[in-house]
Amino acid sequence: QVQLVESGGGLVKPGGSLRLSCVVSGLTFSDYYMSWVRQSPGKGLECIAYISSSGASTYYADSVKGRFTISRDNAKNSLYLQMNSLRADDTAVYYCSRGPSGTYSWFDFWGQGTLVTVSS
Amino acid sequence: EIVMTQSPASLSVSPGEGATLSCRASQSVSRNLAWYQQKPGQAPRLLILGAYTRATGIPATFSGSGFGTDFTLTISSLQSEDFAVYYCQQYHNWPVTFGGGTKVEI
Repeated sequence: QVQLVESGGGLVKPGGSLRLSCVVSGLTFSDYYMSWVRQSPGKGLECIAYISSSGASTYYADSVKGRFTISRDNAKNSLYLQMNSLRADDTAVYYCSRGPSGTYSWFDFWGQGTLVTVSS
Repeated sequence: EIVMTQSPASLSVSPGEGATLSCRASQSVSRNLAWYQQKPGQAPRLLILGAYTRATGIPATFSGSGFGTDFTLTISSLQSEDFAVYYCQQYHNWPVTFGGGTKVEI
């Protein structure tokens, strides 16, 4: 069955960095756009980054543009999110998810989420 | 950015009764609208895509309707496992955006 497993969350100080990973199994990873969606009590669900199946195209929400970088390694069936210059309002559960319809898509498979807490 | 507004914020329903949840977009999203269910401690689960197409494995007690800016999710007869938070999401353009959710409680 399809599994998405995130890792890399934790407690980090404001201004710090963190790298999230998501390993995907049970589907042909290289065929699909993937995304990171975060959920915080204050802002609800927010899709913050998208990457095309080849990795050639990326899209970012304004809230993370210039600070976060989405990438993928199709040989390792893995998705990544490099988060720099972290702020308190980046505190959230981060989910990786599949967007089967390309650039603008719904999300049909989700990981269990990894919690990122930004606090001094 | 397209703003998605859900109403009501919460809804109290008895088991066996039906529920109607609303979602409004700040501009037309055509039929590019999805619904999700989320239970505490779990990731969202896709229920509906394309405004009215049930996702794989979703029972017929869930139905979606609407076009343009106004959408509805109907749960025909609530079972205990249906008490959760429901979100709508537009994928008409970037950034894709979610509504604030409707909590359906007993």
